[in-house]
Amino acid sequence: GAGVSQTPSNKVTEKGKYVELRCDPISGHTALYWYRQSLGQGPEFLIYFQGTGAADDSGLPNDRFFAVRPEGSVSTLKIQRTERGDSAVYLCASSPRGLAGGMDTQYFGPGTRLTVL
Amino acid sequence: GNSVTQMEGPVTLSEEAFLTINCTYTATGYPSLFWYVQYPGEGLQLLLKATKADDKGSNKGFEATYRKETTSFHLEKGSVQVSDSAVYFCALSDPLGAGNMLTFGGGTRLMVKP
Repeated sequence: GAGVSQTPSNKVTEKGKYVELRCDPISGHTALYWYRQSLGQGPEFLIYFQGTGAADDSGLPNDRFFAVRPEGSVSTLKIQRTERGDSAVYLCASSPRGLAGGMDTQYFGPGTRLTVL
Repeated sequence: GNSVTQMEGPVTLSEEAFLTINCTYTATGYPSLFWYVQYPGEGLQLLLKATKADDKGSNKGFEATYRKETTSFHLEKGSVQVSDSAVYFCALSDPLGAGNMLTFGGGTRLMVKP
């Protein structure tokens, strides 16, 4: 079946602009996660959705970052007034139920590479 | 807070050599531990996991044992192949967290030469 997809695969924007990054999770997965991966580093957690609600947004770096999942499937990560430091690969993952303790497997999308000039 | 430290790469080996990639962690409570792999041009994939102390995760000839006493989860393979060339990430999830958020190490690039 189809895996997690993310669009666009690449996004180049200018400092100060607004961007939206889209994630289509695996059908039926209730849990959805956003991570950010800077060059040469491991992914860092941003936000976690359980259904339509953001259950944990403690990883969002500041109030320029916002994410939604209005119907409990597709999610959009929104970044306002982009800065050069926002340049990274943004990864989305989904899992069937978001169970704690490693009982669920997270399936990752290919990522969106964001470059802020 | 939770953290994962893994050996820096790149690690360069000849085909059929023995592989060890070290991973240690800091966490409150008893996390679940994972190894993810990222092949060139592909997304992160779960390689193996262990959810409690002394568990051994294994897949595709790779193994890792959850060692609570040394807070470690080292990845091993007895005989690497060129196709194992990838970046390997050690990660943990906090069982006390609301979901299953992962904390990753910095990644270790493995290059296997024929």
